[in-house]
Amino acid sequence: EPEVTQTPSHQVTQMGQEVILRCVPISNHLYFYWYRQILGQKVEFLVSFYNNEISEKSEIFDDQFSVERPDGSNFTLKIRSTKLEDSAMYFCASSDSWNNYGYTFGSGTRLTVV
Amino acid sequence: QKEVEQNSGPLSVPEGAIASLNCTYSDRVSQSFFWYRQYSGKSPELIMSIYSNGDKEDGRFTAQLNKASQYVSLLIRDSQPSDSATYLCAVDSGGGADGLTFGKGTHLIIQP
Repeated sequence: EPEVTQTPSHQVTQMGQEVILRCVPISNHLYFYWYRQILGQKVEFLVSFYNNEISEKSEIFDDQFSVERPDGSNFTLKIRSTKLEDSAMYFCASSDSWNNYGYTFGSGTRLTVV
Repeated sequence: QKEVEQNSGPLSVPEGAIASLNCTYSDRVSQSFFWYRQYSGKSPELIMSIYSNGDKEDGRFTAQLNKASQYVSLLIRDSQPSDSATYLCAVDSGGGADGLTFGKGTHLIIQP
């Protein structure tokens, strides 16, 4: 079964540093999402992306965050000037349409800011 | 503000019994409803989707939707220890680009 692949699985970074989380969506999917889950909390929508543009973003997705599709296969989330409260699991997901029939999440990146 | 509410549990059910998980949502325009299973430290895994009022069955799982009451439920028949996980209810309010709104999840424990 096709998978969404995320790297790294775990990233430890110092406060104030920049991190890039990477995702390889399912190959024929064109719609991409990032979610995060702080330990013990809800899964929260961050941003959706289509046709090399952000489609929607949540209040969480402020100027500290950016997304990019640098090539035909990768989808990245950049977090600038990381804060302790950015520590969370970050999940990428992809789908083949905006008609939401439930999409597949990647295995996640655990980000720890120290 | 869209809200999805679930009882956090833990919900403890004997092996072989029916586990019943419930969810309410606040946004009346919501159109698509999902149940995800999440094992500790892992990503959410889609197990059921439902879009219209009534029941939808898939193997041991039955999803139930009542839009008038803004209520979604998941029944797991013949519960197995491997069903022990956190079950997340998620709602899409019709604009796929807006993403899903998740509940906090119900922690289900199946007792052998």
